[in-house]
Amino acid sequence: AQSVDQPDAHVTLSEGASLELRCSYSYSAAPYLFWYVQYPGQSLQFLLKYITGDTVVKGTKGFEAEFRKSNSSFNLKKSPAHWSDSAKYFCALEGPTNAYKVIFGKGTHLHVLP
Amino acid sequence: NAGVIQTPRHKVTGKGQEATLWCEPISGHSAVFWYRQTIVQGLEFLTYFRNQAPIDDSGMPKERFSAQMPNQSHSTLKIQSTQPQDSAVYLCASSRKGDQDTQYFGPGTRLLVL
Repeated sequence: AQSVDQPDAHVTLSEGASLELRCSYSYSAAPYLFWYVQYPGQSLQFLLKYITGDTVVKGTKGFEAEFRKSNSSFNLKKSPAHWSDSAKYFCALEGPTNAYKVIFGKGTHLHVLP
Repeated sequence: NAGVIQTPRHKVTGKGQEATLWCEPISGHSAVFWYRQTIVQGLEFLTYFRNQAPIDDSGMPKERFSAQMPNQSHSTLKIQSTQPQDSAVYLCASSRKGDQDTQYFGPGTRLLVL
């Protein structure tokens, strides 16, 4: 079965530090992976996606993520973090079969202290 | 580009009443998705249309929920005999072609069933 795990419900760090939000997935084949961000009071916005090719993908707002097949992870990174990055981040998976049916993780609340 | 439009933004209904939620996808997008977001369950896929045809409604509660897309410019999600457990934010998203594609989310409709 497809699943996405974001083990950290909350992450707090200081502005200027490096951030890394963890995401692991379970899927029998090569998945398509996404990160979305939800700012307070707003809806979800696309950050980046991995479909195939380079395992490090760069997205909007200075974020990047690395796809690691060896440990089924797709962690989101940014350095340095800014207070405006405070938001809830969702990792998502889409399978080649039933492509379009996106499975979201529970999300990680990121708090960046100024 | 106004983005995905959802109306109303907030709706309060009494238990047993009907609620209809509207979504206008981005012009030119052929795929429309409905999700439900709650704190406990997170983001749950409900249903998906492509070129106005229903493709997958496997996430829809069978008895009281229905969705339609009568034309390419809008979709509706109808909940009959609403129950308190239906209280959630209902998100609509659209994408150009559906598969492997970035989804653009609307602001959501916050439904409260008293």
